[in-house]
Amino acid sequence: KNQVEQSPQSLIILEGKNCTLQCNYTVSPFSNLRWYKQDTGRGPVSLTIMTFSENTKSNGRYTATLDADTKQSSLHITASQLSDSASYICVVSALQGGSYIPTFGRGTSLIVHP
Amino acid sequence: EAGVTQFPSHSVIEKGQTVTLRCDPISGHDNLYWYRRVMGKEIKFLLHFVKESKQDESGMPNNRFLAERTGGTYSTLKVQPAELEDSGVYFCASSQAQGSRTEAFFGQGTRLTVV
Repeated sequence: KNQVEQSPQSLIILEGKNCTLQCNYTVSPFSNLRWYKQDTGRGPVSLTIMTFSENTKSNGRYTATLDADTKQSSLHITASQLSDSASYICVVSALQGGSYIPTFGRGTSLIVHP
Repeated sequence: EAGVTQFPSHSVIEKGQTVTLRCDPISGHDNLYWYRRVMGKEIKFLLHFVKESKQDESGMPNNRFLAERTGGTYSTLKVQPAELEDSGVYFCASSQAQGSRTEAFFGQGTRLTVV
């Protein structure tokens, strides 16, 4: 069964600090891994995408890493801002029958305090 | 340019009633996806349209759920009759192409509460 596990479930940090979110997956056959940011009351918005051959991808203050051997990914947020408060969701897709079927993690809820 | 829009944003219905959710994808996007998130759980894939055809509906929970995309534009997801466990947030997403790196854009979701 395809699964995506994220940790921690929730995280509270002070503005300006860095943090790292973790994602472990068992999805096969692996196609790609995305990190999404979901603000309250909004749909998820893609931050980064990595395929099998990529092990790091940056988007501004967000840096994602991928270790396809250990099936782990991380999302590092540098110099956090209040607007970073959101749910961060790891999504791993498998190519099945011609479609890319995503498996979502439950997300990490990040709160950035001033 | 308008993003993916979903109607209504919230819906409260009684058990046994029928509800129809609507999704308007980004113009020109052939691929349309439905997902849902029940309380405390992860978002789960329901089905995928390519234009008006169902490419994959493996995530549809049971035959009380019916998705349509007549004409390959907007899509509807009907729940009939609704049960308590159908409560959750239903998301729609669309993408222009279908590839490993293709990004799907999400709507804001419809929060369905069945009482």
